[in-house]
Amino acid sequence: DTEVTQTPKHLVMGMTNKKSLKCEQHMGHRAMYWYKQKAKKPPELMFVYSYEKLSINESVPSRFSPECPNSSLLNLHLHALQPEDSALYLCASSQALSSGGPGEQFFGPGTRLTVL
Amino acid sequence: EDQVTQSPEALRLQEGESSSLNCSYTVSGLRGLFWYRQDPGKGPEFLFTLYSAGEEKEKERLKATLTKKESFLHITAPKPEDSATYLCAVRAYGGSQGNLIFGKGTKLSVKP
Repeated sequence: DTEVTQTPKHLVMGMTNKKSLKCEQHMGHRAMYWYKQKAKKPPELMFVYSYEKLSINESVPSRFSPECPNSSLLNLHLHALQPEDSALYLCASSQALSSGGPGEQFFGPGTRLTVL
Repeated sequence: EDQVTQSPEALRLQEGESSSLNCSYTVSGLRGLFWYRQDPGKGPEFLFTLYSAGEEKEKERLKATLTKKESFLHITAPKPEDSATYLCAVRAYGGSQGNLIFGKGTKLSVKP
């Protein structure tokens, strides 16, 4: 099973709302990622979790708050977003990089976020 | 600086017209090169991993090859359902752990 699931598929929120994106994988992967993708651009890395600990934060504004409750789940909490944050948010997972392999990432279907 | 360049940006083919997509890369040490297919509004779908020059991988009408400087994704007798954006990404040893360096993608359109 190489499936990563994400909920919701679509989300519309106002600038004062608080919402959360959820991601789940059951491949036994110990590295999980959040990406942001704008139209006609490649995915842009936001956060990396390795063994449930935040290992990379690519200078993402604090209005995005990641959380990794356990090895299968990854959340992204959203608060006070701006219209320019509207994008496709992708979750991915891979084997831990310490395993020595190439670390191919498997992506979820994404959440289409619109900020009004 | 680690870099990935894909060409062409867009490719239009007739059904059955074989062609190749190019991914040129510059990295300090290649840990893995990955090909993905992405349909509009969906997440990238993993296709292949390559990490050794001379390596080849095949899946249906797709064949990926790797040299020390570039990778090709060969599409044989494409069908309209092969229309998508194909992304190439590399992971280097060292540097920022976890980072995939993506190319900008090649948008493939296959007309019946």
